[in-house]
Amino acid sequence: GAGVSQSPSNKVTEKGKDVELRCDPISGHTALYWYRQSLGQGLEFLIYFQGNSAPDKSGLPSDRFSAERTGGSVSTLTIQRTQQEDSAVYLCASSLSGGPGNTIYFGEGSWLTVV
Amino acid sequence: QKEVEQNSGPLSVPEGAIASLNCTYSDRGSQSFFWYRQYSGKSPELIMFIYSNGDKEDGRFTAQLNKASQYVSLLIRDSQPSDSATYLCAVNMDKAAGNKLTFGGGTRVLVKP
Repeated sequence: GAGVSQSPSNKVTEKGKDVELRCDPISGHTALYWYRQSLGQGLEFLIYFQGNSAPDKSGLPSDRFSAERTGGSVSTLTIQRTQQEDSAVYLCASSLSGGPGNTIYFGEGSWLTVV
Repeated sequence: QKEVEQNSGPLSVPEGAIASLNCTYSDRGSQSFFWYRQYSGKSPELIMFIYSNGDKEDGRFTAQLNKASQYVSLLIRDSQPSDSATYLCAVNMDKAAGNKLTFGGGTRVLVKP
């Protein structure tokens, strides 16, 4: 596609439920990133995939969060047993490669509200 | 101390004036520096990147980097109301980790006609 595509764009879920957020990166981009942005805050790094290398999971806030990337393309971020503090915009991004300085392009985000 | 720090603002500037935004970072080994603009409710979009000490100009935008002092700044000349947005400073703090960026909290800029 022309840009990074994310779905759903909005999700309201009850506390304790699991949610899955999907990201389809720009075609040909080998690097994929997930960030989280809480209301009025900066972006918080979650996880980074580069090609077939083991992902950098250093930003995942708890073991309720996990992500996978199948076939080097589409990625799914899963949040288990959601809590109210998980409410945020989850932004996916991709870049042509994972080398420093490659421009990172963001999707429009998935707005998650946990009630 | 946050790894990347910005004044949250709002920075209010009259139309046509210069907006000056600053960002400091903690990791002296940082190599790449980026400025993103984010309109309310939208995703961040890249404005500029800078790797070397000194100034880099692109249209009305100038990025300035001083690695010795660990700061990077963004100047917006001839500010327009359409420049009203939050500006995010991002730093590639760990070369070994590829392209992972650490973001500051952003500076909100308000350009008044």
